[in-house]
Amino acid sequence: LAKTTQPISMDSYEGQEVNITCSHNNIATNDYITWYQQFPSQGPRFIIQGYKTKVTNEVASLFIPADRKSSTLSLPRVSLSDTAVYYCLVGDPWGGADGLTFGKGTHLIIQP
Amino acid sequence: DAGITQSPRHKVTETGTPVTLRCHQTENHRYMYWYRQDPGHGLRLIHYSYGVKDTDKGEVSDGYSVSRSKTEDFLLTLESATSSQTSVYFCAITPGQGRGNTEAFFGQGTRLTVV
Repeated sequence: LAKTTQPISMDSYEGQEVNITCSHNNIATNDYITWYQQFPSQGPRFIIQGYKTKVTNEVASLFIPADRKSSTLSLPRVSLSDTAVYYCLVGDPWGGADGLTFGKGTHLIIQP
Repeated sequence: DAGITQSPRHKVTETGTPVTLRCHQTENHRYMYWYRQDPGHGLRLIHYSYGVKDTDKGEVSDGYSVSRSKTEDFLLTLESATSSQTSVYFCAITPGQGRGNTEAFFGQGTRLTVV
């Protein structure tokens, strides 16, 4: 049973805010939520991580409701270079297979 | 960028031959991972290591073996390569519990073609 569910693909336009939602109904108490970005022919790159409420860094925000059964990655004012696959991961982030189990991700396409 | 290097970056081999891919890190991270990525799939875990000589299987471990004789190197071996193992292989590292930063770092990938 997949730990996370996210849309297969999304489209948006330059300058828009993009929100990608991930469902994780069976999240455990000790689990963190982590998002990675992957460009073609490259390995994934860490974007943001959180446990609850809201986390913001220089590239994105992560919104986590109180029940933690879902999370939303928010990318402000996207550009063409944000076209990539975005993965939502749930688990122990410090190590082991649990925290680094990838689904199929969301393919985000940004148009001019 | 984190110090993680995969070699070779590209390889073409024949069915039935053994192949070894190498992942080298300079971060002294405890955990190392091998993934494969195929069209239409995300990254699927093959094997991972939680210390020297300590390894465990992932979801697609059949046909692969690994070894970690020192902290910095994690080797992935295809004992007898098959066409179904044609893929892009990624190595990743994480520091382990109590080491602060939980960010995983990935290598550049190795494109393996089995003909």
